[in-house]
Amino acid sequence: QAVVTQEPSLTVSPGGTITLTCDSNTGAVTSGHYPYWFQQKPGQVPRTLIYDTRTKHSWTPARFSGSLLGGKAALTLSGAQPEDEADYYCLLSYGGVKVFGGGTKLTVL
Amino acid sequence: QVQLQESGPGLVEASQTVSLTCAVSGGSISSGNYWWTWIRQHPGKGLEWIAYIHYSGSTYYNPSLRSRVTISMDTSKNQFSLKLNSVTAADTALYYCARDNSGLDVWGQGTTVTVSS
Repeated sequence: QAVVTQEPSLTVSPGGTITLTCDSNTGAVTSGHYPYWFQQKPGQVPRTLIYDTRTKHSWTPARFSGSLLGGKAALTLSGAQPEDEADYYCLLSYGGVKVFGGGTKLTVL
Repeated sequence: QVQLQESGPGLVEASQTVSLTCAVSGGSISSGNYWWTWIRQHPGKGLEWIAYIHYSGSTYYNPSLRSRVTISMDTSKNQFSLKLNSVTAADTALYYCARDNSGLDVWGQGTTVTVSS
């Protein structure tokens, strides 16, 4: 089974910019993996921020964006806010079967 | 809008089978091109994708769970279900149902399954 890897933890300063990445042990992540990005705050249901690499939901703050970067899926947060402190998960598709990354704990400090 | 509500037994004995149901309201499970999904989260851990089913009957499973999991759909009740057999303590988790194809846009609140030995 594929293994999807994310940075375990990252810290960003308020107002700063940070990029979270999502890597696959099977090779470069492409649009064909249909990358998703989720945000989960303590005690809450995860919510999707980005799907199909860069598509946003109506509720996705404009400061979040998705892309492919150096063979990985990437989630960039530009202008971090205190409320962005959360766990972030990516999800990749492998021919219909989906695999979550281990998650990144993002601290805004 | 579409809402999802999971239900399950809460507590199940090890080696038994747990059955979970996700009731869909505000829309038909047979309409649209959606994949109806189960995801779980172990206590204090990350998310694990389990399986999904399309109204056409197509299914996909997490290979690590495939031998123990069955996902099904009941269009007459507008719900879909997950059966996980031979459960162990490692199956203790919060189980979510969700709707996919448009970005996992709808999630239930989750139902907790605790496996007792």
